[in-house]
Amino acid sequence: TQLLEQSPQFLSIQEGENLTVYCNSSSVFSSLQWYRQEPGEGPVLLVTVVTGGEVKKLKRLTFQFGDARKDSSLHITAAQPGDTGLYLCAGRGAGTYKYIFGTGTRLKVLA
Amino acid sequence: EPEVTQTPSHQVTQMGQEVILRCVPISNHLYFYWYRQILGQKVEFLVSFYNNEISEKSEIFDDQFSVERPDGSNFTLKIRSTKLEDSAMYFCASSESGADTDTQYFGPGTRLTVL
Repeated sequence: TQLLEQSPQFLSIQEGENLTVYCNSSSVFSSLQWYRQEPGEGPVLLVTVVTGGEVKKLKRLTFQFGDARKDSSLHITAAQPGDTGLYLCAGRGAGTYKYIFGTGTRLKVLA
Repeated sequence: EPEVTQTPSHQVTQMGQEVILRCVPISNHLYFYWYRQILGQKVEFLVSFYNNEISEKSEIFDDQFSVERPDGSNFTLKIRSTKLEDSAMYFCASSESGADTDTQYFGPGTRLTVL
């Protein structure tokens, strides 16, 4: 069974601080996506990474896919209150249509 | 920007009743999915659908569930006889292709409450 563990589960930081969220598995994924989800809404896609070692940047967000495609990280630089939300990673294995979702990291950025 | 839409946003039903959740995937997408999220838990895959057939389903997707593409735009999830434990947010998603690296785009969800 493929599992994705995210850490930390909860994170409360001050505006302007940097943070990193981790997404780890013992399984290899063909692709991995990061989402942000607001309460009562569907996950909104932030990025898809597909190549081991790949780094993608989205403004102040930097996403990295591990060399072995088993893990990923999301780094936020100079966090802002608008970054507050639930961040989810989801991985997809070869030959399957389904994404396995991680446990989520709930981020709160205080002004 | 094209997006996946879902109706209704909230459905309340009595235990044992049938419900149909509706989704309109992005127009040029060929692969469709349903996921669910029980309150406070992870998003879980239910089923994928392509070319009018189920291509993959999870152990959650038992005989009480069915999916259909009744016309060229809608994709539906039917629960025949709802149980209390079916209460959850149900998300529809679609993708252009079924490739491992293809992106799935999610709708806003339907909150199903079974009383």
